Amino acid sequence: EAGVAQSPRYKIIEKRQSVAFWCNPISGHATLYWYQQILGQGPKLLIQFQNNGVVDDSQLPKDRFSAERLKGVDSTLKIQPAKLEDSAVYLCASSFAGPSGANVLTFGAGSRLTVL
Amino acid sequence: GDSVTQMEGPVTLSEEACLTINCTYTATGYPSLFWYVQYPGEGLQLLLKATKADDKGSNKGFEATYRKETTSFHLEKGSVQVSDSAVYFCALNPTGANNLFFGTGTRLTVIP
Repeated sequence: EAGVAQSPRYKIIEKRQSVAFWCNPISGHATLYWYQQILGQGPKLLIQFQNNGVVDDSQLPKDRFSAERLKGVDSTLKIQPAKLEDSAVYLCASSFAGPSGANVLTFGAGSRLTVL
Repeated sequence: GDSVTQMEGPVTLSEEACLTINCTYTATGYPSLFWYVQYPGEGLQLLLKATKADDKGSNKGFEATYRKETTSFHLEKGSVQVSDSAVYFCALNPTGANNLFFGTGTRLTVIP
């Protein structure tokens, strides 16, 4: 099966500019996640979707970050305006199970953002 | 709240040496526990998992046992190879939830 696709792989922008990342999960996976991985740290959950609904966005900085999954398949994460501290790898993951219960997340290769 | 504390690195070992990376967790109920690995230039990959107390997860020569009495899930391998060089993340899936909490990662370098 095809993996989780993400683009772009790399992006360099200046602070106060905007950027968007795209993710296409594994076919049939109802749950989609966006994680932020700052250099030297573990991934941190930003937002979790179940189909096209938001399950958890408690850690998403909503003044500058937004995400959508309009048709319950692919998703876009946007940052506007970007700050220096947003420099990180943005990881998309998907899983098959419903809103609760142990299951395996499959991760994409990530989108590395550098804010200058 | 739920959290994972992972042994800090980096760890440098000679080929064929024994590996242990410590991981302890804080959580209510009975979380599931995972080890993910990130090879250079690649995304996170599941290495192994355990879903209940005393379960042992294993894969590619790596093992970890879910110890509820010590709230630990230490990663072990008896003989590491150069190809095992990567960053290893311990992660927790809380009871009744569907997301993961990650540790800070431990970078392992194996030298010939």
